[in-house]
Amino acid sequence: AQSVAQPEDQVNVAEGNPLTVKCTYSVSGNPYLFWYVQYPNRGLQFLLKYITGDNLVKGSYGFEAEFNKSQTSFHLKKPSALVSDSALYFCAVRDIGVMDSSYKLIFGSGTRLLVRP
Amino acid sequence: GAVVSQHPSRVICKSGTSVKIECRSLDFQATTMFWYRQFPKQSLMLMATSNEGSKATYEQGVEKDKFLINHASLTLSTLTVTSAHPEDSSFYICSARYSDLEGGDFGPGTRLTVL
Repeated sequence: AQSVAQPEDQVNVAEGNPLTVKCTYSVSGNPYLFWYVQYPNRGLQFLLKYITGDNLVKGSYGFEAEFNKSQTSFHLKKPSALVSDSALYFCAVRDIGVMDSSYKLIFGSGTRLLVRP
Repeated sequence: GAVVSQHPSRVICKSGTSVKIECRSLDFQATTMFWYRQFPKQSLMLMATSNEGSKATYEQGVEKDKFLINHASLTLSTLTVTSAHPEDSSFYICSARYSDLEGGDFGPGTRLTVL
């Protein structure tokens, strides 16, 4: 069964330091991978996705993620964290092996990022 | 960019009443829309998938007679919580997708509180 794991409930980092939010996946076939961010009482905002091509994907707000097939990981990174990056981050995966236009996204449990001034 | 709206953003109702939540894709035609439920400090739980003009596909454990979904057009889907009870209080989020290559754009969510 397809699954996504975000092993950290919370990540704390000082402003200006690099940040990493971890995500690992387990799917049959080749995965489509996504990162979303959620601010309090708001819906999810798309950050970036990996479908194919370069393993390093660049997204919104200076975020990037590295797809690692051997480690089945898709960690979210940013070279220099901002206080405004503090939010809830979700990793999600879709298995493109299914010939169904109504494919579903499988979300991780979420990781709360806290950037302290 | 693609925008998805939800209305209302917040609703408080009495137990036993029905509440309708609208989800609209404002600048694109959504082939598929999704309804999620999110409990405090938890991840999104997919409730159902809806395609325009056809019946919604509900996830296991979701009561289709309680959570009525209507996808009347390519830009509008509605979720009606029928005979709401306090345990239905939650944050409901919709998502709309126009391409199989996209994860989908999400609405801002609707906070439902049932007294």
